[in-house]
Amino acid sequence: AQSVTQLGSHVSVSEGALVLLRCNYSSSVPPYLFWYVQYPNQGLQLLLKYTTGATLVKGINGFEAEFKKSETSFHLTKPSAHMSDAAEYFCAVKAVYGGATNKLIFGTGTLLAVQP
Amino acid sequence: DARVTQTPRDKVTEMGQEVTMRCQPILGHNTVFWYRQTMMQGLELLAYFRNRAPLDDSGMPKDRFSAEMPDATLATLKIQPSEPRDSAVYFCASGPGTPTGELFFGEGSRLTVL
Repeated sequence: AQSVTQLGSHVSVSEGALVLLRCNYSSSVPPYLFWYVQYPNQGLQLLLKYTTGATLVKGINGFEAEFKKSETSFHLTKPSAHMSDAAEYFCAVKAVYGGATNKLIFGTGTLLAVQP
Repeated sequence: DARVTQTPRDKVTEMGQEVTMRCQPILGHNTVFWYRQTMMQGLELLAYFRNRAPLDDSGMPKDRFSAEMPDATLATLKIQPSEPRDSAVYFCASGPGTPTGELFFGEGSRLTVL
């Protein structure tokens, strides 16, 4: 079974500071990993994803994440926070079994606050 | 601009009433998911359809919830009878059905059961 753990339900940073949101996964098969962002009163939208290949993936709005198999981690980073980054961020894992089952399992989310 | 459309956006109802939420997936997408979001439980997968066939509804309370896809352009989630504990935001998402394909989420239906 697959699962995702996001460390820290709330993270607060100052504008211009580094953003680091932590995600660890558990999967018995090679995982596909995703980060989604949710702005208030909106649905989730994809930030970035790791499937195969390069372990450092870049997404929208200057975010990136690195897949580290040895640490079973997929942490999300951004060098310099902007006020518009304030939102809730969800890490998710998808396990693929011959294409028949590809549910997306979400973590509990991390609410990012950006202080002026 | 293709997007997932959900109705209603907000629904307030009384306990015991039937509630139906509707979702129009993105044209061409063959997978549809229903998620429920609450403060306590986060995002829970309720049901999952592929090519209109239900593949997994293990996360859904069977006694009062039902999910269907009458056709490729409509997915429904019904609660009958509704209870206060069903109060949540219900999201529909659709995807192309490929392992690496992203899910596109609607804006959600906020349900309040009094």
